Amino acid sequence: GAVVSQHPSWVICKSGTSVKIECRSLDFQATTMFWYRQFPKQSLMLMATSNEGSKATYEQGVEKDKFLINHASLTLSTLTVTSAHPEDSSFYICSARVPLGLAVSYEQYFGPGTRLTVT
Amino acid sequence: GQNIDQPTEMTATEGAIVQINCTYQTSGFNGLFWYQQHAGEAPTFLSYNVLDGLEEKGRFSSFLSRSKGYSYLLLKELQMKDSASYLCAVITGGGNKLTFGTGTQLKVEL
Repeated sequence: GAVVSQHPSWVICKSGTSVKIECRSLDFQATTMFWYRQFPKQSLMLMATSNEGSKATYEQGVEKDKFLINHASLTLSTLTVTSAHPEDSSFYICSARVPLGLAVSYEQYFGPGTRLTVT
Repeated sequence: GQNIDQPTEMTATEGAIVQINCTYQTSGFNGLFWYQQHAGEAPTFLSYNVLDGLEEKGRFSSFLSRSKGYSYLLLKELQMKDSASYLCAVITGGGNKLTFGTGTQLKVEL
């Protein structure tokens, strides 16, 4: 089946620094990947849609200059949290739309998530 | 805007049956997913409904009524490992967006 990996699984950084999170589709090509954020005891909130070879589409209220997304290849998307602050501490999850034929229509496979703690 | 509602918490007994409801009001609809999420882990796929009716898969069943904007997830023969958060999610935006509900934290007790 389709597998999505994320790296790192957890990271602690100091306020004001930048952190890069990688999302990879391991056994399929993903032209579209998605980045979500989840605060404790809350549901997943879509941050942005990452499209290979073009600019990401950000959801309302998400600062594109703070959350930089790069989708340079069909198997890799990265999210860089710039000038991180304690309020950016969260669980960041990526997903990739599975190609038709591997799963039901529109299904997304999720990465294991990255726990970011900003001190 | 998109609005997807679920009960926040539910408690059930091991071996019993529990139904988790989800109501939605969205602009556009291309199907509804149910995901299971254990604490600190990514969501895992449970079911997908795009047509009205009941989809059964082992101990899990999911129902959809598009005219009522309503779905439910039915879990039978509950096990302790079923204690998790259950997320209802609707595909909108021409199939390009997955909007999640608030999530239901299910606790299975002895």
